[in-house]
Amino acid sequence: GENVEQHPSTLSVQEGDSAVIKCTYSDSASNYFPWYKQELGKGPQLIIDIRSNVGEKKDQRIAVTLNKTAKHFSLHITETQPEDSAVYFCAASPQGGNQFYFGTGTSLTVIP
Amino acid sequence: GAVVSQHPSRVICKSGTSVKIECRSLDFQATTMFWYRQFPKKSLMLMATSNEGSKATYEQGVEKDKFLINHASLTLSTLTVTSAHPEDSSFYICSARVESYGYTFGSGTRLTVV
Repeated sequence: GENVEQHPSTLSVQEGDSAVIKCTYSDSASNYFPWYKQELGKGPQLIIDIRSNVGEKKDQRIAVTLNKTAKHFSLHITETQPEDSAVYFCAASPQGGNQFYFGTGTSLTVIP
Repeated sequence: GAVVSQHPSRVICKSGTSVKIECRSLDFQATTMFWYRQFPKKSLMLMATSNEGSKATYEQGVEKDKFLINHASLTLSTLTVTSAHPEDSSFYICSARVESYGYTFGSGTRLTVV
């Protein structure tokens, strides 16, 4: 089955700096890679996703890159703000599959 | 956007009792919903896949007689934790796949068994 690894587990940055979270996956059949933000006591919220036919996607301060050959994808948050503080999860979904596999999460703290 | 409404957000129950958690898709039909369990500071663990009109598919190690799933309509899936024990205390989250959107999650249910 698919195995998704995520690093780092915790990340602290100064407000205004950039934050990068990296994930690797094992199943070459995976073709959908979403990123979720989870605030304390709430369900995950989709913030950005990328499909395997695209190498990079950007939405304002958030961007995701995908390297299919190396089987890794990354989340980039620029100009971080305190409200970006949360736990972020990456995930991978095999082609044609309904379920997907989560990374272990990154607790991001943005220091004002 | 596609919304999944999950209730209750918090529930406290006594050991031995059963608790039902509901997930409703508000503006779309969900033929498939997924139920996850999350321990503190841990990732989401898929428990089962709920299929409208048929039996749920459980992941290895998940007791289907303990975690009863019913998906009787295209907009409602329920998870019932039967004969709950303190070790069942956890955060339970549902999600549904939305065409052209991806997956959307409910807001989660914090279950505490005392």
